[in-house]
Amino acid sequence: DAGVIQSPRHEVTEMGQEVTLRCKPISGHDYLFWYRQTMMRGLELLIYFNNNVPIDDSGMPEDRFSAKMPNASFSTLKIQPSEPRDSAVYFCASSPRGDYGYTFGSGTRLTVV
Amino acid sequence: AQKVTQAQTEISVVEKEDVTLDCVYETRDTTYYLFWYKQPPSGELVFLIRRNSFDEQNEISGRYSWNFQKSTSSFNFTITASQVVDSAVYFCALPMDTGRRALTFGSGTRLQVQP
Repeated sequence: DAGVIQSPRHEVTEMGQEVTLRCKPISGHDYLFWYRQTMMRGLELLIYFNNNVPIDDSGMPEDRFSAKMPNASFSTLKIQPSEPRDSAVYFCASSPRGDYGYTFGSGTRLTVV
Repeated sequence: AQKVTQAQTEISVVEKEDVTLDCVYETRDTTYYLFWYKQPPSGELVFLIRRNSFDEQNEISGRYSWNFQKSTSSFNFTITASQVVDSAVYFCALPMDTGRRALTFGSGTRLQVQP
């Protein structure tokens, strides 16, 4: 199994630009999570999906952030327009239906300048 | 709300020392899971263990052991005979709320093992 795959690994963009982060969960996993990690706030849940349906997006910071899961094998997290305070490592994770344990992707380090 | 507290921000030990990382949690649930994850310098988050609140037996896996005490709401992690490769940030976690699948994480403890 290839694990959870995130792309890109690193992204540097200018303030105001649109950024799209991508995630491919483990095949057969029903749940997909997006987390953000910063020094100040630690690991924060942004949103999670169950069977491609968003269940809880209460952690999405504001309207500039949006997430989609068009099918069971792909999800995107989009920031438009990006701001320097969005600089962080964004992790995607997935888990199977009967198990709370996550498998995390390697993360995307986003730098907004 | 559910909460995880890792009071130790950073610990530094010399190789071969034993070290214990503390985790204290708050939950309204009567049954729940607890987790530990490791984040090495390379940055990925690696699952270490999941415990069910039904089972208060200590768990041992090689040099790693976990002490779950429901009476004190603690789930501490001990590394015996630490090695340089154990240097990482360690996170304790539990589900956010009843019925929510998402985990809430503690702030992490950075462990530095010096050779």
